[in-house]
Amino acid sequence: EIVMTQSPATLSVSPGERATLSCRASQSVSGNLAWYQQKPGQAPRLLIYDASSRATGIPARFSGSGSGTEFTLTISSLQSDDFAVYYCQQYNNWPRTFGQGTKVEIK
Amino acid sequence: QVQLVESGGGVVQPGRSLRLSCAASGFAFSSYSMHWVRQAPGKGLEWVAVISYDESNKYYADSVNGRVTISRDNSKNTLYLQMNSLRAEDTAVYYCARGLIWFGPFDYWGQGTLVTVSS
Repeated sequence: EIVMTQSPATLSVSPGERATLSCRASQSVSGNLAWYQQKPGQAPRLLIYDASSRATGIPARFSGSGSGTEFTLTISSLQSDDFAVYYCQQYNNWPRTFGQGTKVEIK
Repeated sequence: QVQLVESGGGVVQPGRSLRLSCAASGFAFSSYSMHWVRQAPGKGLEWVAVISYDESNKYYADSVNGRVTISRDNSKNTLYLQMNSLRAEDTAVYYCARGLIWFGPFDYWGQGTLVTVSS
């Protein structure tokens, strides 16, 4: 099983600032990596797939990069609506696996 | 618009069974693979199972393999998860999600149904 490790566990950011979230895979997943956003009491929402492609309707302030084992989600200028938990997920191998999540909170 | 609506959750005793359903609408259900993902209270996401569009391929997480069965009825646009020999550690919100493609992300999710395993 591929283990996905996210860092940091919690990120404290002020509105308008940049947030950088990291995700590392225990072995290469090529570019088969997605990022999801989850708010309390809600289902996850797909933000980024194929490491760097934005899903339908996702604002341009969200961007993804990386390949192989190292990936990054960047939120260029945090809005109040962006404070949430973010998960990375690999879909290169079975079983599909998620990182443990990064909580982005208001500083 | 794409909608996924789960049902069938509830409180069940350890060792008992439960069947979850996921009603799909707004897209060609029979053309997509479908997944179940669960989230224990206060915890992260755990993938549970997948079924291909035509039921020819199914995969399960080790944590549930042998105790759960994923199935679908394309004539009813419905996905199922039969869960047997339930354990306390199966307590979670269970989400159904659509696979964009077989090797692809989960692009739409239902709102989830809560399963609580407790005596």
